Amino acid sequence: GQQLNQSPQSMFIQEGEDVSMNCTSSSIFNTWLWYKQDPGEGPVLLIALYKAGELTSNGRLTAQFGITRKDSFLNISASIPSDVGIYFCAGPVQGGSEKLVFGKGTKLTVNP
Amino acid sequence: GAGVSQSPSNKVTEKGKDVELRCDPISGHTALYWYRQSLGQGLEFLIYFQGNSAPDKSGLPSDRFSAERTGGSVSTLTIQRTQQEDSAVYLCASTRVGLRSPLHFGNGTRLTVT
Repeated sequence: GQQLNQSPQSMFIQEGEDVSMNCTSSSIFNTWLWYKQDPGEGPVLLIALYKAGELTSNGRLTAQFGITRKDSFLNISASIPSDVGIYFCAGPVQGGSEKLVFGKGTKLTVNP
Repeated sequence: GAGVSQSPSNKVTEKGKDVELRCDPISGHTALYWYRQSLGQGLEFLIYFQGNSAPDKSGLPSDRFSAERTGGSVSTLTIQRTQQEDSAVYLCASTRVGLRSPLHFGNGTRLTVT
């Protein structure tokens, strides 16, 4: 089935640093979604991308939909302690399904 | 409440017992999903309900797992004869229509099978 591969698996950074993480697949996706999960909570949608090449920002977050449709990246600028959490990429399974497949996540730790 | 509500938040059960996990979606959301999140893993799709259509059960890992959605609202995920490998966080999400509407997740039920 379609799989999403996220890297890195974990990151340890200092407050104020920029962060970059990505998501790749051997399959084409028509939508890329980035979610963040805080400890003990469910994931929350950060950014949605619907068009190849699209670059979208949400505050300090920027995400891009790769032109091959097989990858996406998420950047966080000037990280702060509350950026701590697990970041997931997700996309709909091909075939008209409403199912979302998720990557295994990138766990971010920000040291003050 | 305004969000997706799941209960219980934590459940510890003995191997072999049955458990029921409940999800109250956001009012008006016609689609409801169950996902499983094992330690260090991503979210594993289990089942999807959309309106009155037959549910997509393709993600249920075995016949010990079942789910129903009554009256198009509340959903219950049942795990029979629990095994230790069933230990995970079970997340429920709801959405209005289609994937342009974001999934709203509950905080999950952490299931521990001893």
